[in-house]
Amino acid sequence: SQKIEQNSEALNIQEGKTATLTCNYTNYSPAYLQWYRQDPGRGPVFLLLIRENEKEKRKERLKVTFDTTLKQSLFHITASQPADSATYLCALVDSSNTGKLIFGQGTTLQVKP
Amino acid sequence: NAGVMQNPRHLVRRRGQEARLRCSPMKGHSHVYWYRQLPEEGLKFMVYLQKENIIDESGMPKERFSAEFPKEGPSILRIQQVVRGDSAAYFCASSPISRNTGELFFGEGSRLTVL
Repeated sequence: SQKIEQNSEALNIQEGKTATLTCNYTNYSPAYLQWYRQDPGRGPVFLLLIRENEKEKRKERLKVTFDTTLKQSLFHITASQPADSATYLCALVDSSNTGKLIFGQGTTLQVKP
Repeated sequence: NAGVMQNPRHLVRRRGQEARLRCSPMKGHSHVYWYRQLPEEGLKFMVYLQKENIIDESGMPKERFSAEFPKEGPSILRIQQVVRGDSAAYFCASSPISRNTGELFFGEGSRLTVL
């Protein structure tokens, strides 16, 4: 069955360091992958989309890589700040014809000052 | 341009009662998705609707749950005879296009507590 896995353990890093979050998937051949941010008690907010023919995508301090051979995406936040503390979700389009998004369980990032 | 609006934000029901959750998509969006999020878990897809049509309900429990998106008015997720296990945050998201190839715009969620 199709599966998306993110590290369920919280990631704790020091302010200024680079945070790296991992998203692995199995039994998928997604055309693209998305990352969202979710703050406690709030709805997810879209951050980045990367297509299968793109190795890397950047947006300000964010960088996403997409390795379709390894079936993995890495999400990096450089020069991290306490305000970056949140849960980060990766999402793939389901292989069914309806194109719905399937989400990983998310990784919580805590940036300490 | 208002975002996705969900109401109520918080809803308390006793076992056996009905819960109705409403979602108004962003202006110009005709595709609505409902997701459920249990504490410490990820978003689980429930149903995908377009105006007056259910496109994909593969994530909906077979009993007690129903959803609609009428020609006029908000999308509604209805849970009949609620049980404690229905306590969760229910998120609605909208998209302007079919076969989502872009971002989903989420509401702030409706948090259902079943006593």
